[in-house]
Amino acid sequence: QVQLVQSGAEVKKPGSSVKVSCRASGGTFSQNIISWLRQAPGQGPEWMGGVIPIFGSAKYAQKFQGRATITADQSTTTAYLELSSLSGDDTAVYFCARHVVPAGMPYYYYYHMDVWGTGTTVTVSS
Amino acid sequence: QSVLTQPPSLSGTPGQRVTISCSGSPSTVGSNSVTWYQQLPGAAPKLLIYNNDQRPSGVPDRFSASKSGTSASLAIAGLQSEDEAVYYCASWDDSPRRSWFFGGGTKLTVL
Repeated sequence: QVQLVQSGAEVKKPGSSVKVSCRASGGTFSQNIISWLRQAPGQGPEWMGGVIPIFGSAKYAQKFQGRATITADQSTTTAYLELSSLSGDDTAVYFCARHVVPAGMPYYYYYHMDVWGTGTTVTVSS
Repeated sequence: QSVLTQPPSLSGTPGQRVTISCSGSPSTVGSNSVTWYQQLPGAAPKLLIYNNDQRPSGVPDRFSASKSGTSASLAIAGLQSEDEAVYYCASWDDSPRRSWFFGGGTKLTVL
């Protein structure tokens, strides 16, 4: 069974950047699609974008285009999210999650996410 | 305001059957499968239902779901105290936004 283990909590200053990692164990990393989501206190999850490791291509939600960078390293089975120009509104728990791609189907993000990471709390404060 | 609309809260007594609604649009629920998640305090969301009405292994059959048009619903039968959690519906959006959207969540309290 796939497990997604994320890096530890971060405290950042406004205007800085943060990089969060998500290491996958079990399963075949290159056959996965990994998305990043965040959840502010008391709110529902918000999809930020994702990466298809086998292609090395990323897709971003409009809101995060230009400010988020999502990458994947197949050699370490790790996905990364880097978010720049942080503000207090970016304070949230950040999750990675895996999309289930049915065998023989094209790789795309519309498949459901079954396994979620452990979560990383990012606090932005001066 | 969330793209998918859920009631913010619901309550029930042990043994009761409750239903959580999720209202979307033609480009979300109307065109794509609905996924339901259960989130306990301090934990990551857990997959409860996928492809509108499919339960992953390990999810009790007390949980069921359906979809009709641009709306979906999650039903929990034989309510138990451990069902107290926040429930989210989610769907892909086929509009030019092409993103995943989640409901605002329904806090279920077992009285």
